[in-house]
Amino acid sequence: KNEVEQSPQNLTAQEGEFITINCSYSVGISALHWLQQHPGGGIVSLFMLSSGKKKHGRLIATINIQEKHSSLHITASHPRDSAVYICAVGGSQGNLIFGKGTKLSVKP
Amino acid sequence: DSGVTQTPKHLITATGQRVTLRCSPRSGDLSVYWYQQSLDQGLQFLIQYYNGEERAKGNILERFSAQQFPDLHSELNLSSLELGDSALYFCASSVAGGYNEQFFGPGTRLTVL
Repeated sequence: KNEVEQSPQNLTAQEGEFITINCSYSVGISALHWLQQHPGGGIVSLFMLSSGKKKHGRLIATINIQEKHSSLHITASHPRDSAVYICAVGGSQGNLIFGKGTKLSVKP
Repeated sequence: DSGVTQTPKHLITATGQRVTLRCSPRSGDLSVYWYQQSLDQGLQFLIQYYNGEERAKGNILERFSAQQFPDLHSELNLSSLELGDSALYFCASSVAGGYNEQFFGPGTRLTVL
């Protein structure tokens, strides 16, 4: 079993839809990261959170430490949100342990 | 732009060869992480340096080595290359070791033929 599990693996949405990507982890962590990988390959850090909820524009990330679960929400989705979204947890050395990613495609 | 630079962007080489990938962290960041992204394994942690010293090791092969120089740039050396080493190699930097936000470079795409 992977230490970081994401669902769904693939997600297709219509423009304007509300999107949720889930992440469950089995290791003890002090922080969880949400990353976005563009089709060109570049990786951008979206959020780092250790409790509660964070919001940036149309993106919202939540974490429940007791349940070892995090969600990434995208409101009013847009084709430019199409990317791979990766959940990662901070390992004991500060390195990241990654989920396999969720490939999101938003259709106009 | 994360402020982390990596060179080269693309590298095509043959099996058995040796290559060096270079990473310059964001100004002020002391910690550099190297990650490998392959189609079958996804993103995996290779190695971390903090202020010139090796801090943590992940799934790094013995054929691979890295170092961080006094100016804090880092190099990842890959030798006796095999077809399976073809991957995207990312470096990331953070202010310190431990639990800080990491900023990723654009990656180096290595193709071994």
